[in-house]
Amino acid sequence: AQKITQTQPGMFVQEKEAVTLDCTYDTSDQSYGLFWYKQPSSGEMIFLIYQGSYDEQNATEGRYSLNFQKARKSANLVISASQLGDSAMYFCAMRDPTGGYQKVTFGTGTKLQVIP
Amino acid sequence: DGGITQSPKYLFRKEGQNVTLSCEQNLNHDAMYWYRQDPGQGLRLIYYSQIVNDFQKGDIAEGYSVSREKKESFPLTVTSAQKNPTAFYLCASKAGQATNEKLFFGSGTQLSVL
Repeated sequence: AQKITQTQPGMFVQEKEAVTLDCTYDTSDQSYGLFWYKQPSSGEMIFLIYQGSYDEQNATEGRYSLNFQKARKSANLVISASQLGDSAMYFCAMRDPTGGYQKVTFGTGTKLQVIP
Repeated sequence: DGGITQSPKYLFRKEGQNVTLSCEQNLNHDAMYWYRQDPGQGLRLIYYSQIVNDFQKGDIAEGYSVSREKKESFPLTVTSAQKNPTAFYLCASKAGQATNEKLFFGSGTQLSVL
């Protein structure tokens, strides 16, 4: 069974600074996909970035980048130049091949607060 | 606009009562999901469906039931067997089986016990 671990329940970052949110995963499969989602206080889930297990380069989407270290089974999200609107819950998720490649499981999340 | 509609936004359940949460999508997605979120916690998978008339239990299916009679609809029933139903419920869908297919989410239903 796969497992997603986010060890930081809460993080603070100064506005305009960069912050790294940790995510480690456990899977015996060679093919998998990793995702990060943002959940503002409104409750909606917003897709941020995706990394495939076979992707050789780290994914980037604007101010978001994914520090993918396959051997260490980590997929940390880096947010550069933090903004007040980045204050939210952040979830790491993984596609689980054991569920016919349709099962998606999430970590417990990290609450990020951006300080002015 | 295409998207996922969850209703109601707030729902209250009395002791011993079954309640049904609605989830409708017009994205023509094959796969649909139900997640439960408790305060300050992550999303836990209740049920998911890959195609019409087929669904699989997730990690916390006990006390819940679903149906998938139409591609667009994936209602979740919280039965009286679910002793701690108070939570935020999120419905999601996904287009296909490609590795990089992301989930699209509804706006959620907050269920509380009276």
